[in-house]
Amino acid sequence: EFVLTQSPGTLSFSPGERATLSCRASQTVSGDSLAWYQQRPARAPRLLIYGASNRATGTPDRFSGSGSGTDFTLTIDRLEPEDVAFYYCQQSGNSLPHTFGQGTRLEIK
Amino acid sequence: EVQLVESGGGLVQPGRSLRLSCAASGFTFDDYAMSWVRQVPGKGLEWVTVISWNSDLIAYAGFVEGRFTISRDNAKNSLYLQMNSLRPEDTASYFCTKQESAMGRGHIDAWGQGTMVTVSA
Repeated sequence: EFVLTQSPGTLSFSPGERATLSCRASQTVSGDSLAWYQQRPARAPRLLIYGASNRATGTPDRFSGSGSGTDFTLTIDRLEPEDVAFYYCQQSGNSLPHTFGQGTRLEIK
Repeated sequence: EVQLVESGGGLVQPGRSLRLSCAASGFTFDDYAMSWVRQVPGKGLEWVTVISWNSDLIAYAGFVEGRFTISRDNAKNSLYLQMNSLRPEDTASYFCTKQESAMGRGHIDAWGQGTMVTVSA
């Protein structure tokens, strides 16, 4: 079964900095079908990035996704307090189940 | 605007059953696959099950072990999750989600607010 490993577990930042979040898959993600979701405290998740690098409607251009195969990255530039959240990756290609990573917590220093 | 509204959660004893419902609006329901994702309080997201637009493709996570059944009624724009033989470890918030494709591949592009299921004696 697919396993997605996210790192780091927690990332602390100061406003204005850049954050780099990693998602590594145990096998190749078909079609680069890798999505990133943001879940703010006490809120439902929302789609940020799909197809590894495509921003969803409403996603600020401070957020960018990259990678292919088994290694994917979510980069957040010019961090803002509103970016405090958990971030999850999910593979949604030909392999079921559509596994989520365990999440990365982004917090303010 | 896409809206997904879950209902049916609550407190249930181990071994009992519960049926979750999801009312969808703001999009053509029978054009898209739908799925359920759950989240144990304080933990991460866990994919549960997916159903294609016409119910031809259905898949479950391994932990379901034949206890859950996903279904949909396209005439009523509704998604369901019948959960039987519930266990304490099924305690979680259950999210109704819309897939970006008809057959279930691809990402989730809309989420409900979730309904809490608590399994306890």
